Amino acid sequence: DAKTTQPNSMESNEEEPVHLPCNHSTISGTDYIHWYRQLPSQGPEYVIHGLTSNVNNRMASLAIAEDRKSSTLILHRATLRDAAVYYCIQWNYGGATNKLIFGTGTLLAVQP
Amino acid sequence: SQTIHQWPATLVQPVGSPLSLECTVEGTSNPNLYWYRQAAGRGLQLLFYSVGIGQISSEVPQNLSASRPQDWQFILSSKKLLLSDSGFYLCAWRGQGTDTQYFGPGTRLTVL
Repeated sequence: DAKTTQPNSMESNEEEPVHLPCNHSTISGTDYIHWYRQLPSQGPEYVIHGLTSNVNNRMASLAIAEDRKSSTLILHRATLRDAAVYYCIQWNYGGATNKLIFGTGTLLAVQP
Repeated sequence: SQTIHQWPATLVQPVGSPLSLECTVEGTSNPNLYWYRQAAGRGLQLLFYSVGIGQISSEVPQNLSASRPQDWQFILSSKKLLLSDSGFYLCAWRGQGTDTQYFGPGTRLTVL
């Protein structure tokens, strides 16, 4: 059961930053925040994940609120290839739950 | 490196016919394996997952079944397809105790 809340859709312009929000008010102390994205007609791909501290990788940055009840995925310069559905998932991958449950995600449209 | 394969890529089947979709993973041992389905315009629904050979957990009761005859092989089957079985079927794997799930290219099934 998805426990996170995301906007259904967002729009951005090419080469501008994009901030994708996610609320996870029921997150437990051992749950990580994971982000995946799904390009059209493809399977989801991993983007980034974090626990408490902000995280950066080559794809994106993840800003986690101090109370961990929300987070923001940041794409620093959106490209047309970033148009996808972005999923935010709270999950303790080392715990008893072996499964990753996806919600409906945010459909990001990128305008040229 | 690890790779995941799914076949066929597309499939058109009549209502009431049987189904067999195959997923194989190379380059890793004892992975967790997952079957998801995505109906047109909808989110991903977890169908089955497996933590080892012969170990299958079902998430949604329906006319589908799964089997894992080999460590690297995960099969999704049905004896009689329904119209509602149409969708994009995705297989995924995750290493034991690791934090990232990797998806295959998917099978697009149309039941007529």
